[in-house]
Amino acid sequence: SQKIEQNSEALNIQEGKTATLTCNYTNYSPAYLQWYRQDPGRGPVFLLLIRENEKEKRKERLKVTFDTTLKQSLFHITASQPADSATYLCALGGDYGGSQGNLIFGKGTKLSVKP
Amino acid sequence: NAGVMQNPRHLVRRRGQEARLRCSPMKGHSHVYWYRQLPEEGLKFMVYLQKENIIDESGMPKERFSAEFPKEGPSILRIQQVVRGDSAAYFCASSPRETSSYFAADTQYFGPGTRLTVL
Repeated sequence: SQKIEQNSEALNIQEGKTATLTCNYTNYSPAYLQWYRQDPGRGPVFLLLIRENEKEKRKERLKVTFDTTLKQSLFHITASQPADSATYLCALGGDYGGSQGNLIFGKGTKLSVKP
Repeated sequence: NAGVMQNPRHLVRRRGQEARLRCSPMKGHSHVYWYRQLPEEGLKFMVYLQKENIIDESGMPKERFSAEFPKEGPSILRIQQVVRGDSAAYFCASSPRETSSYFAADTQYFGPGTRLTVL
């Protein structure tokens, strides 16, 4: 069955450091992968999308890589700030073998950035 | 430009009652998705709709749950005869995605969610 794993439930880092979050998947062939941020009591907010033919995407302090051979995506936040503290969700979409409509989400990694 | 709107934000029901959750997509978006998030669990897809059409309901429980997206008005997720296990946050998302674009990336914009508590 399709499976998505995000490296850890929680990640604690010091302000100014780079946070690296991992998303691994199996039994899935996504056309694209997305990262979302979710704050407590709120809906997910879209951050970045990377397609299967792209290796890397950047947006300000965020960087995403996508390795379809390893079936893995890495999400980096450089120069992290306490305001970056949130849960980050990995989502896969566009499965060639399945539904085109929905996203499959990982459980998320809760990032805490300490001042 | 208003985002995705959901109401109510909080809903309390007793076992056996019906729950109706509403979702108004972003302006210009004709695709709506419903997800459920249980405590300590990830978001789980339930149903994908376009106006007057259910495109994919593979994530919907077979009984008691239904969804619609009429030509006019919001999308409705309806849960009949609620049970305690239905307690969760229900999120709606919308996208402008065109189904004719098979590989179109589907960025979804989420609402704030409805938190359903079944007593």
